[in-house]
Amino acid sequence: EDKVVQSPLSLVVHEGDTVTLNCSYEVTNFRSLLWYKQEKKAPTFLFMLTSSGIEKKSGRLSSILDKKELFSILNITATQTGDSAIYLCAVGSSNTGKLIFGQGTTLQVKP
Amino acid sequence: GAVVSQHPSRVICKSGTSVKIECRSLDFQATTMFWYRQFPKQSLMLMATSNEGSKATYEQGVEKDKFLINHASLTLSTLTVTSAHPEDSSFYICSASGLAGGHSNEQFFGPGTRLTVL
Repeated sequence: EDKVVQSPLSLVVHEGDTVTLNCSYEVTNFRSLLWYKQEKKAPTFLFMLTSSGIEKKSGRLSSILDKKELFSILNITATQTGDSAIYLCAVGSSNTGKLIFGQGTTLQVKP
Repeated sequence: GAVVSQHPSRVICKSGTSVKIECRSLDFQATTMFWYRQFPKQSLMLMATSNEGSKATYEQGVEKDKFLINHASLTLSTLTVTSAHPEDSSFYICSASGLAGGHSNEQFFGPGTRLTVL
């Protein structure tokens, strides 16, 4: 059965800290791994990763994929209170186009 | 990026009534739309996948007669929760993908609909 597991499930840090969120997966016909940020409404897209070892960056956020070890990490440096959210990892299958979501990591950044 | 809208954003209804939720892709043609449900403090659970002009494919455990999905055009899909009960109260989110056959996994999410059944 396809599954996506995120860790930790929740995390509390202070502004300025660096955090690393983990996502491991077991999916047949892997096509891509996506990271989303969810605040009070629907998820907003952060990154889509398809190749191993190529880091994607957007400001203070970066992410990388390891297709051999079947995991990805999302790094956030110099965290701010506005980074507080649920971070969702999802893996897409090339067969169906469906996304399988992990449980999410709830990040709280304290001032 | 592509924009997906949902209507209504919030609905409160009595037990036993039916509720329709609309999902529209505003600036692209969505050949595939997905409907998710999210309970508090849980992740998104896929309910069904719908391709324009064909019947929706439901995930295991999702009652197709209770959650009616129609994808009549390339810009509109609707989810009708029939005879809603309090346990159907949840956050319903749609997403849209612009390429048929699952060639791309990038999905654009609507803002979600908060359903409360009294």
